[in-house]
Amino acid sequence: DIQMTQSPSTLSASVGDRVTITCRASQSISSWLAWYQQKPGKAPKLLIYKASNLESGVPSRFSGSGSETEFTLTINRLQPDDFATYYCQQCSSYPRTFGQGTKVEIK
Amino acid sequence: EVQLVESGGGLVQPGGSLRLSCAASGFSFGGYNMDWVRQAPGKGLEWVGRIRNKADSYTTEYAASVKGRFAISRDDSKNSLYLQMNSLKAEDTAVYYCARRRVGVADDYWGQGTLVTVSS
Repeated sequence: DIQMTQSPSTLSASVGDRVTITCRASQSISSWLAWYQQKPGKAPKLLIYKASNLESGVPSRFSGSGSETEFTLTINRLQPDDFATYYCQQCSSYPRTFGQGTKVEIK
Repeated sequence: EVQLVESGGGLVQPGGSLRLSCAASGFSFGGYNMDWVRQAPGKGLEWVGRIRNKADSYTTEYAASVKGRFAISRDDSKNSLYLQMNSLKAEDTAVYYCARRRVGVADDYWGQGTLVTVSS
């Protein structure tokens, strides 16, 4: 199975900050990576697919980059609504594994 | 509007069985692959399995942790997805989500989840 490792596990930031979350795959997944946002008690929401494609309706302050084994999710000018937990998921092979999550907290 | 609504969760004893349902509306259900994803209390997301559409012969994939115990099925005439869970263990306790898989993309729509608690 492909292991997905996110860092950091927790991130403290302020409104207006630029935030970067890293996701590493244990083997090459090309660009087959998705990013999700989840708020407490809610279902995950798709933000980014194929590493860098912004899902329709997602604010442009979110961006994704990377390929093969290293990927990043960047949030520019962090907004109050962005405090949540973020997960990466590889979509290259089965089982479709997730990273352990990165919680973005208010500093 | 795309909607996915899970049901069937509840309390079940270890070794017991439960069948979850996911009612889909607002899109052509039969054309999509569908996933089940779960989340244990206070933990991260775990992919459970997938069922493909009719064009791909309704084939399925499962996580190793549930293979042989869980079975995913669908009824396109009822726009419904199912997860049959047998030989349940305490570690299967989780919120179970169904999700629509957009080909070449990811899980773009999710239900609100249904809680399964395995405990004596």
